[in-house]
Amino acid sequence: EVQLVQSGAEVKKPGESLRISCKGSGYSFTSYWISWVRQMPGKGLEWMGRIDPSDSYTNYSPSFQGHVTISADKSISTAYLQWSSLKASDTAMYYCARSVAVAGHFDIWGQGTMVTVSS
Amino acid sequence: QSALTQPASVSGSPGQSITISCTGTSSDVGGYNYVSWYQQHPGKAPKLMIYDVSNRPSGVSNRFSGSKSGNTASLTISGLQAEDEADYYCSSYTSSSTGVVFGGGTKLTVL
Repeated sequence: EVQLVQSGAEVKKPGESLRISCKGSGYSFTSYWISWVRQMPGKGLEWMGRIDPSDSYTNYSPSFQGHVTISADKSISTAYLQWSSLKASDTAMYYCARSVAVAGHFDIWGQGTMVTVSS
Repeated sequence: QSALTQPASVSGSPGQSITISCTGTSSDVGGYNYVSWYQQHPGKAPKLMIYDVSNRPSGVSNRFSGSKSGNTASLTISGLQAEDEADYYCSSYTSSSTGVVFGGGTKLTVL
């Protein structure tokens, strides 16, 4: 079965760092891009950026450039989303999703990782 | 980059048809045939319903169809069923960031 499995929910304090993960299985991990999508409570979907796991090339939405880092370890078929200093406004559900090409649609989604940032 | 524009809500009775619009610019919806539609039920991950404007993935009901005219794409759901009640999002490739932009989402209520 083709799937993306994300790491579990996180509760952090402002200023802390965090890395969440997304593990692909059932397909060739390096043949698809992995994107990250944010959904703030009660709000819509926002594309954050993506990575080509074959060479770790990334591109980011201007809204998220410099605020998060996307990386991947193709040896373990896992992509990551990382923050160096969390803010309360980072509280959201984060989804990873795969696409076959740069302009492609998202055919497989992870189950989501809820990140809560609160003092 | 600005989000694509969708109506906040639409509604219809079982058996009826509804259409959700998604308006962008020539840098996204109007410039490329890379419009997708996603269905999201509460507490669930989004699900791909339409890709490349009008293509349905395997397993998606043929009651769902997509189209595009100029800078506006549309999702039509015919023969509405209670299970169709959900949030729907459009997305498009955008040349402004060589990335993806989503619409604000539309809540579909089946009366």
